[in-house]
Amino acid sequence: QSVLTQPPSVSGAPGQRVTISCTGSSSNIGAGYDVHWYQQLPGTAPKVLMYGNNNRPSGVPDRFSGSKSGTSASLAISGLQAEDEADYYCQSYDSSLSGSVFGGGTKLTVL
Amino acid sequence: QVQLQESGPGLVKPSQTLSLTCTVSGDSISRGGYYWSWIRQHPGRGLEWIGYIYHTGHTYYNPSLKSRITISLDTSKNQFPLKLTSVTAADTAVYYCARVGPLGDCNNTSCYSFEYWGQGTLVTVSS
Repeated sequence: QSVLTQPPSVSGAPGQRVTISCTGSSSNIGAGYDVHWYQQLPGTAPKVLMYGNNNRPSGVPDRFSGSKSGTSASLAISGLQAEDEADYYCQSYDSSLSGSVFGGGTKLTVL
Repeated sequence: QVQLQESGPGLVKPSQTLSLTCTVSGDSISRGGYYWSWIRQHPGRGLEWIGYIYHTGHTYYNPSLKSRITISLDTSKNQFPLKLTSVTAADTAVYYCARVGPLGDCNNTSCYSFEYWGQGTLVTVSS
C-alpha cells in the first residue's frame, strides 16, 4: 500500500493526451512538499522526468508537464508517442515518515 | 557524470543478512549537499524508499524497515553499503542506489529528488 496513490494504468492512442494523477495527504503533498515524477522504461532504472512539481530536466520534451494542487499532483503527456510507453512514479517527502514516499506507479500503454 | 553501481550476492537465504554495496564514481560521498539512498522494487511492483545517509553519517530510514537496516559510508572506497537483517521472501526485490539532491531552485532537503540511479541488482531470498 503506497503512501501516494496513482492509477495502476492509463492508455491512449498516438497523438492523444493523457494525465496521471498522484494523490497524497496533509503530511506530504498537502503540506506543500514538492512532487517529482520518474519514468521507468522496461528493464531500466527510473529516471527523473519532472522535478519541483513542474520543471523538466534538460532533454525531456515539453510534451510532458506537471502540476500540483492541494493534496494531489498530475503529470500530463500530450502528443503521445510509442516511446512514452513506460511506468511512471510520483515521489514526495513525508513529514510523518521523515523521508521519501513514492506512488505505486502507473503503467502507460500507447495503443 | 555521476554514476552508481550496485553489487552483492544475488541469492540470500531466509533469516540471513542481505549485504549490498553501492560504488559511486564522478562524485565524492564525503561532499555535502547530497544524500545517498537505497530504494527497492518488488517484482512487478512499485518503488519503496529504504533509507538514506548524509556525508556526516546521519541516517534516515523507512520506519517499516528501520529495525533491520543499516546504511553506512566507506569513504576510502567511495561506497555506501546496505545491510538488511533477518530477510524473508518478502525482501526479494531489485535494489537500487541513488544520489538524492536538489534540482532547480530547491534549497532544502524536503524538495530533493532522486537525481542519479544505479542500474539495480536483483536479490532473491530463497533457501
